[in-house]
Amino acid sequence: AAGVIQSPRHLIKEKRETATLKCYPIPRHDTVYWYQQGPGQDPQFLISFYEKMQSDKGSIPDRFSAQQFSDYHSELNMSSLELGDSALYFCASSLEVPTGEQFFGPGTRLTVL
Amino acid sequence: GESVGLHLPTLSVQEGDNSIINCAYSNSASDYFIWYKQESGKGPQFIIDIRSNMDKRQGQRVTVLLNKTVKHLSLQIAATQPGDSAVYFCAEKSAAGNKLTFGGGTRVLVKP
Repeated sequence: AAGVIQSPRHLIKEKRETATLKCYPIPRHDTVYWYQQGPGQDPQFLISFYEKMQSDKGSIPDRFSAQQFSDYHSELNMSSLELGDSALYFCASSLEVPTGEQFFGPGTRLTVL
Repeated sequence: GESVGLHLPTLSVQEGDNSIINCAYSNSASDYFIWYKQESGKGPQFIIDIRSNMDKRQGQRVTVLLNKTVKHLSLQIAATQPGDSAVYFCAEKSAAGNKLTFGGGTRVLVKP
């Protein structure tokens, strides 16, 4: 079965650089979520989109922005990268139902040097 | 603030024994709870879920128990296998939104 696809899987950036992470949801899923997981930490919700509109916002820094496109894929744009941004970034997708199960992608490991 | 947390950070269990992982939550408005399994270098994988109008749900080798009185959630794994070695997270979702709030993970180590 098709799963959530994330690219790139690994990314190394310097401080103050920018990064773009991509997420391709499971076909027919209309909702995308972004989570950040620091080393040894729980995944923390960043932001979500339903039908290309932002549906919820969590602890996402102002330096980050995201959007969902007409084909439902989503991109997380990160600017002025800081060392503390080094983390695993997961994308999840679901169908927009009250308890829609979220399926997670394999994640993008971002390292900021 | 709202939070979901776990009592035990690491659980070492003998292969074939049963495992019990506990989780406490603080948001009374939470109406949906999920257990995820995360293996090293991978994304969280759905194990089992339970709605707040239930107190028990069973899956294949797993059972989730929900005690709303004390805001406690547990995951029982029967006949634990080496492939069960992973970090397990509980997560909650309220009716107000779809975002997941994860609790602190518990690492399960299965000894042969």
